[in-house]
Amino acid sequence: KNEVEQSPQNLTAQEGEFITINCSYSVGISALHWLQQHPGGGIVSLFMLSSGKKKHGRLIATINIQEKHSSLHITASHPRDSAVYICAVSPNFGNEKLTFGTGTRLTIIP
Amino acid sequence: NAGVTQTPKFQVLKTGQSMTLQCAQDMNHNSMYWYRQDPGMGLRLIYYSASEGTTDKGEVPNGYNVSRLNKREFSLRLESAAPSQTSVYFCASSEAYPGLIPNEQFFGPGTRLTVL
Repeated sequence: KNEVEQSPQNLTAQEGEFITINCSYSVGISALHWLQQHPGGGIVSLFMLSSGKKKHGRLIATINIQEKHSSLHITASHPRDSAVYICAVSPNFGNEKLTFGTGTRLTIIP
Repeated sequence: NAGVTQTPKFQVLKTGQSMTLQCAQDMNHNSMYWYRQDPGMGLRLIYYSASEGTTDKGEVPNGYNVSRLNKREFSLRLESAAPSQTSVYFCASSEAYPGLIPNEQFFGPGTRLTVL
């Protein structure tokens, strides 16, 4: 079973700061997912990536397959970015039984 | 499109009662999933359905049953609720059959269940 670890568990930053959230996993994967969950809210998929880098607005996700590591970056952070960010991995050509990290709680202070 | 919908949003049960959580998706997805989310733990897969008519156990299936009624609907049943089943339950769906290519999963809004 893949072990997925996220760091930090909690992160508080000032509005405008550059944010980095990390995710590492133990076994080869076919894809890595970044998800966002607002307090009391549902879960939204931000990115799914198998290699390289993806960008959407102020969010950037990178993955290093050799290092088994991914990062989620937020540029010019805003209070509305406050949420839990969850990393999940798809197994290597097996099935869609995702393995999830426990999440990083991000708080952006105005 | 509504995406993935779940009912009810909240439910309180007494130990031993039964209930069914409903999930529906309007994206014509083949695969559907049920997860539970507990404090301090990652989402855990309860059951999934790769296609209409098929279901398979996930990581934590004990105490639950599922039914893939048709392509749109996937229900989760608790036959005899226990306090350990207090959790937030999420339904999700994805486009293609598992194992072919990785797929983005789309989640419902969740059902907050408390078992007293």
